[in-house]
Amino acid sequence: SQQGEEDPQALSIQEGENATMNCSYKTSINNLQWYRQNSGRGLVHLILIRSNEREKHSGRLRVTLDTSKKSSSLLITASRAADTASYFCATDPYSGAGSYQLTFGKGTKLSVIP
Amino acid sequence: EAQVTQNPRYLITVTGKKLTVTCSQNMNHEYMSWYRQDPGLGLRQIYYSMNVEVTDKGDVPEGYKVSRKEKRNFPLILESPSPNQTSLYFCASSLQGFAYEQYFGPGTRLTVT
Repeated sequence: SQQGEEDPQALSIQEGENATMNCSYKTSINNLQWYRQNSGRGLVHLILIRSNEREKHSGRLRVTLDTSKKSSSLLITASRAADTASYFCATDPYSGAGSYQLTFGKGTKLSVIP
Repeated sequence: EAQVTQNPRYLITVTGKKLTVTCSQNMNHEYMSWYRQDPGLGLRQIYYSMNVEVTDKGDVPEGYKVSRKEKRNFPLILESPSPNQTSLYFCASSLQGFAYEQYFGPGTRLTVT
């Protein structure tokens, strides 16, 4: 079942600009994660934010989480051509009995133009 | 180097010919999963495993089998592949569980004609 949905589907920006991607999900979660995928390659974990956290930073990445709106955003500051990739949010729906499934959204395709 | 490896990376096969995609991790992770990625559908979980001999179905298990006889290996078996199983497949492993950081393999692009 599809839990997370990213918005926009595609984003094109100039190098040096900031990129913001959003993720909405449907049910209560334990954690929310963001991953990056370079074309056709394996996903790489970027950052995890717990349901009791509101904001988290890692280098040029800033993630926010609003559990009341069931949404998260990923901000990449001062983008570089190497940031060109697809970005996915992933959630584990809270079931009370442990998480057995990580559900990915369909991704935002980011293009950073040099 | 800590990694998840998959073999083969590319495979073209015909309908009905049994095949196995291997997955191995060298991080002593207990949790492993298989996903398929299709355009417009994102990643969908096929099967997962929480430890040796413990496996269960994900969202799209039909037409697939798995086994977990050793901690490091989690092969994906297609007993009778069909064209709708043409996809990009990823194996992933995790130390802490599915709610935490997943380490992905490089992917296996499978075409079934």
